[in-house]
Amino acid sequence: DIVMTQSPDSLTVSLGDRATINCKSSQSVLYTSNNKHYLAWYQQKPGQPPKLLIYWASTRESGVPDRFSGNGSGTDFTLTISSLQAEDVAVYYCHQYCTGPYTFGQGTKVEIK
Amino acid sequence: QVQLQESGPGLVKPSGTLSLTCAVSGASISSSHWWTWLRQPPGKGLEWIGEIFHSGRSTYNPSLRSRLTIIVDKSKNQFSLTLSSVTATDTAVYYCARRDLRERSGGMDVWGQGTTVTVSS
Repeated sequence: DIVMTQSPDSLTVSLGDRATINCKSSQSVLYTSNNKHYLAWYQQKPGQPPKLLIYWASTRESGVPDRFSGNGSGTDFTLTISSLQAEDVAVYYCHQYCTGPYTFGQGTKVEIK
Repeated sequence: QVQLQESGPGLVKPSGTLSLTCAVSGASISSSHWWTWLRQPPGKGLEWIGEIFHSGRSTYNPSLRSRLTIIVDKSKNQFSLTLSSVTATDTAVYYCARRDLRERSGGMDVWGQGTTVTVSS
């Protein structure tokens, strides 16, 4: 199985500041046939199902604010929230859907300082 | 808009069988999407269980394969999960979700609200 490791486990950021979450996969999640990284980011607020933010490592899902951005390649990826808002308090998960079984990172909890 | 709704017993006895259904509304289950089951144990992260296409083609997590069946019912526009020989470690919130084809995004863009299943005598 591809192991997804996120860092840090938790993050406390002031309103308006940048938040960066890292995700490392134990194997490449690059699908060579189309040169796409099959890596997504999800946001989960308490008591709610996850919400898709980013797919193909860097493509923002429709309706997701542009303060959320994804980057990376190969085995190292980041999710950045450029200016943290109160409504961004949540747990964030990276997810690889390149090779079965599809797997998730352990999650990063983002809180307000 | 597309909505998914999980249903099934909230309590299952150890060694019993867990059965859940996900009703799809606002879209046809015969659309080009994968229909996915995931779960989240209390206070823990997400686990991908498996998924099915409307053709019946399915893919399962090997860790659950020996106990797992996922089927699609096109006449009722729903898909179902059956997990046998359950233990306390199967206690979780179970989610159903719609996954786009990987060539389009591969993202799970629609989720059910989740249903809590507890395995206990």
